[in-house]
Amino acid sequence: KNQVEQSPQSLIILEGKNCTLQCNYTVSPFSNLRWYKQDTGRGPVSLTIMTFSENTKSNGRYTATLDADTKQSSLHITASQLSDSASYICVVSFGNTGGGNKLTFGTGTQLKVEL
Amino acid sequence: DVKVTQSSRYLVKRTGEKVFLECVQDMDHENMFWYRQDPGLGLRLIYFSYDVKMKEKGDIPEGYSVSREKKERFSLILESASTNQTSMYLCASSRLGLRNTQYFGPGTRLTVL
Repeated sequence: KNQVEQSPQSLIILEGKNCTLQCNYTVSPFSNLRWYKQDTGRGPVSLTIMTFSENTKSNGRYTATLDADTKQSSLHITASQLSDSASYICVVSFGNTGGGNKLTFGTGTQLKVEL
Repeated sequence: DVKVTQSSRYLVKRTGEKVFLECVQDMDHENMFWYRQDPGLGLRLIYFSYDVKMKEKGDIPEGYSVSREKKERFSLILESASTNQTSMYLCASSRLGLRNTQYFGPGTRLTVL
């Protein structure tokens, strides 16, 4: 069964600190992996996307890594800001059904950045 | 900027009512998707469409139907709403292809009483 597991479930850090969120997946056949940020009351917004051959991708203070052998990804946030408070969702794409793409979503890590 | 809009942010309906949720995208995307999001369960795909009048079932299609008469519009229909369909509903769109990013709408929080 295709699954995406994220840890921790929730995290509280002080402003300015770094943090790392984890994503483990069992999706097959793997196509790509995305990290989304979802602010409260809004739809998810894509942060990074990585294919099998990519093992790191940055977007400002966000850096995602991918180890396709161990089927693990991480999202590292540097010098956190209050606006980073959100849910971070790991999404793995697999196969290609009918011209679209099937996705398996993690349940997200709820990050809160405090003063 | 890609824009995906949903007809309502909040909706309250009664059990047994027929409910229509509308989604419109302005980027000429081929793919459109409907998800529901529940605490602890993440996003689950209900239906998706890769072309006008084409649809495919997602992971949890029971109790839902969809309609795509125009490329920019994708409707989710609850034929007879039930309390277990109380949820956040998110629409997304993307181009065809495996590297495409899905762009999400703001969501509709549906409460069925």
